[in-house]
Amino acid sequence: DGGITQSPKYLFRKEGQNVTLSCEQNLNHDAMYWYRQDPGQGLRLIYYSQIVNDFQKGDIAEGYSVSREKKESFPLTVTSAQKNPTAFYLCASSPRTVRNNQPQHFGDGTRLSIL
Amino acid sequence: QQPVQSPQAVILREGEDAVINCSSSKALYSVHWYRQKHGEAPVFLMILLKGGEQKGHEKISASFNEKKQQSSLYLTASQLSYSGTYFCGTYDRNSGNTPLVFGKGTRLSVIA
Repeated sequence: DGGITQSPKYLFRKEGQNVTLSCEQNLNHDAMYWYRQDPGQGLRLIYYSQIVNDFQKGDIAEGYSVSREKKESFPLTVTSAQKNPTAFYLCASSPRTVRNNQPQHFGDGTRLSIL
Repeated sequence: QQPVQSPQAVILREGEDAVINCSSSKALYSVHWYRQKHGEAPVFLMILLKGGEQKGHEKISASFNEKKQQSSLYLTASQLSYSGTYFCGTYDRNSGNTPLVFGKGTRLSVIA
């Protein structure tokens, strides 16, 4: 079955620590996205990638970093510079980004909390 | 520019109807609709591409009014399973390579 796998489901971060959230897809999609979700805020875009070895900042990229070394994988690192990281993080993919007639497929999310 | 959804929240009894609106200040190319159950991933409902287009999914349908730069989602004879948060996502006509922008969501609660 094709889909998006996010891990871990729950993650705890200590002060000053960087943590990495995994996102893997086997849908052969070119585009991948990271969203942050806080209560009442909807889905806010952190980073997106349209092709391997290329990615762009979204609306709230500060304190986050990404890489796209393989088409299937788009890990997100929450750095110590992100002072309020507690949120639900969703990874998504789609065949492409621009004027896309195809839906985005979402992973089951990672819930990150501060210790 | 983030689309504006209204209402923010709505409570329905089973069998009642509801309308959720999604408005943009920009000319739209397409509108996507998703539903998210609490703690789960958003699930795709439908995409509307042309002005005036209407699409249906079970007893959920939607329209897209290009002139008014808005889309409406219609839930008919609501069921308990319709509960969740509904998001619209929009591409505007002049957005270039930027991806979908989501609204803040409308929380729908259906009670028995």
